[in-house]
Amino acid sequence: DAGVIQSPRHEVTEMGQEVTLRCKPISGHDYLFWYRQTMMRGLELLIYFNNNVPIDDSGMPEDRFSAKMPNASFSTLKIQPSEPRDSAVYFCASSFERGFTGELFFGEGSRLTVL
Amino acid sequence: GEDVEQSLFLSVREGDSSVINCTYTDSSSTYLYWYKQEPGAGLQLLTYIFSNMDMKQDQRLTVLLNKKDKHLSLRIADTQTGDSAIYFCAVRLSGGYNKLIFGAGTRLAVHP
Repeated sequence: DAGVIQSPRHEVTEMGQEVTLRCKPISGHDYLFWYRQTMMRGLELLIYFNNNVPIDDSGMPEDRFSAKMPNASFSTLKIQPSEPRDSAVYFCASSFERGFTGELFFGEGSRLTVL
Repeated sequence: GEDVEQSLFLSVREGDSSVINCTYTDSSSTYLYWYKQEPGAGLQLLTYIFSNMDMKQDQRLTVLLNKKDKHLSLRIADTQTGDSAIYFCAVRLSGGYNKLIFGAGTRLAVHP
């Protein structure tokens, strides 16, 4: 299996621009998570889906952030408009509910820099 | 909400043992995890412990769980330079969903 695939790996954009981050989970996994990692706040859970349905979006910072999962093999995290404080590494992870341990499998992350 | 806390930095000499500590607040946590993040990479599961266990050993890794004090530790024996990474403690919340809450991560630096 190819693992969780995220794109782009690096994104540099200017304040005010729209940013779309993409994620392809591991086939057969029924949970998908979006995390954000910063030096100041560590690893924060933004939102997670179960069977393509958003379960908990309480971690989404504000209305500028939105996430969708139109099907079991694709999810997007969109920031519009972007701000410098959104600069971070965004991780997507997937897991399998019936897996004994509930282990999360992480992608390599998308490093976002907003100038 | 659930809170998971770790010290941010640990420096050890190669060959010594490393002990990374973590405290959490949710006493009903079912699984507790240690993840490892190497530079430029995502997190990978290192080991885990179920809440009804006190200790788990896996080669150079020893996990200790003190449920009374809500304290989790990871001991790495004979620490090597390749162990230099960020180590995250995480707890799985009760309630049937695979929702993990992570600590801020402990950066382990191994020097000769």
